[in-house]
Parts: sequence; structure tokens; C-alpha cells
Amino acid sequence: DGGITQSPKYLFRKEGQNVTLSCEQNLNHDAMYWYRQDPGQGLRLIYYSQIVNDFQKGDIAEGYSVSREKKESFPLTVTSAQKNPTAFYLCASSINLAESSYEQYFGPGTRLTVT
Amino acid sequence: KNQVEQSPQSLIILEGKNCTLQCNYTVSPFSNLRWYKQDTGRGPVSLTIMTFSENTKSNGRYTATLDADTKQSSLHITASQLSDSASYICVVSRPTGGGNKLTFGTGTQLKVEL
Repeated sequence: DGGITQSPKYLFRKEGQNVTLSCEQNLNHDAMYWYRQDPGQGLRLIYYSQIVNDFQKGDIAEGYSVSREKKESFPLTVTSAQKNPTAFYLCASSINLAESSYEQYFGPGTRLTVT
Repeated sequence: KNQVEQSPQSLIILEGKNCTLQCNYTVSPFSNLRWYKQDTGRGPVSLTIMTFSENTKSNGRYTATLDADTKQSSLHITASQLSDSASYICVVSRPTGGGNKLTFGTGTQLKVEL
């Protein structure tokens, strides 16, 4: 899991509630990412950020929001607009976005269950 | 369409045996190919990363091969151990405007038994 922490490990919410997932890294990486993992599917990119105060939508950004106020932190909010929020959420970071050879390091993940 | 397909979907082997996992991709253009190991309920951990010019790379008992012409890769695990039980994910990176995009396979679920 390197120097990336995600909290909490398990999260339960009622439908209609917003919930924020935490991601912190101490690797001094510029780029950070949020992925969603569902059974039988590959990881899908939700949002990414290559620098503080800047972030871009990934492939499945609808119903999610992020902020990047500090280099170390990239919280993800799952809003009530997300139709199928129950999933395993993974945060990752890399030195920067542009260099393809740079490794992406993943956090331990947060499993969100919405009922 | 940029896709990464892995086979088999799942595999059970006895401890000490070898196995080979397959990855075929249609991603283009190509930057590199990565193999990750993901334990249940944990984040993926990198095993290898290979560029276009590399056709083999090892990391301990893990050896990855790449044939960029046929767009195929394999991950060979030698002398398997119980701790090798995990999902193995093939990931292909391609350059996009201002960065690189990763396309993930769905993984091969490996179980090593006594």
C-alpha cells in the first residue's frame, strides 16, 4: 500500500446521503487518482488530479465530486446522484501524470455499501 | 476500442506448481504494459512494467513477457506458494493529451492449494 492511506476501510450509508472517502499520500506525488472496482470489471477511472487545485473527470465521473486543496489529500465525495454507489473504491498516486513509466501506487481501498 | 482481455478468468493450482496467465490487448497507441497483484480486499501492487522494446521482465518468481507485434503478454509464476493466491491484473498504458491513460483487465483469480 506504500505511503497511501484510505479511510475508512468499510463504510455504510443510506441511500440519498452523500459520503466522503478520504485519501492521503506522503509520497510527495503530484498526480492522484480515484478508481472504482466492481466484480467482474476492470478498474474504472472516476477523477484524477495532476496538481493542487486542478482535477479532471475520468470515464465515470457522474455522481462524484473531488477536491485537491493540498498536495497530500484527494478526497472523493459520492453524492446521492450516483445511481449505483456500492463498490470498492481505490485511490492511487504517481510522481506525475505525463511520464508513462512512473508507477501508480494504490491505497488499501474503501468498501462502500449503500442500502 | 481499447480493451484488455485476460484468461483464464480463474485458476486453481497446487502449491509448488507453475502457471501462466494470459493478457491480450487492443490498446493503441501503446506506452507500456503492467502486471499487478491484488490480494482480496486490498489495493493492487505492481509486479512488472514493460515498454515496447522489452519482451521479458522478471520479479522474483514472476516473469512477464510481451509480444508487442501480436499485442499479447503473459505472466509466468514459478514454484507457486499459498501467498500467490490473489487476482492478477494486466494493465496497458497509452499516451493521451497531456498524460497517459490506463486500461485495466478484469483480472485472473488464482488460488494456490496444498
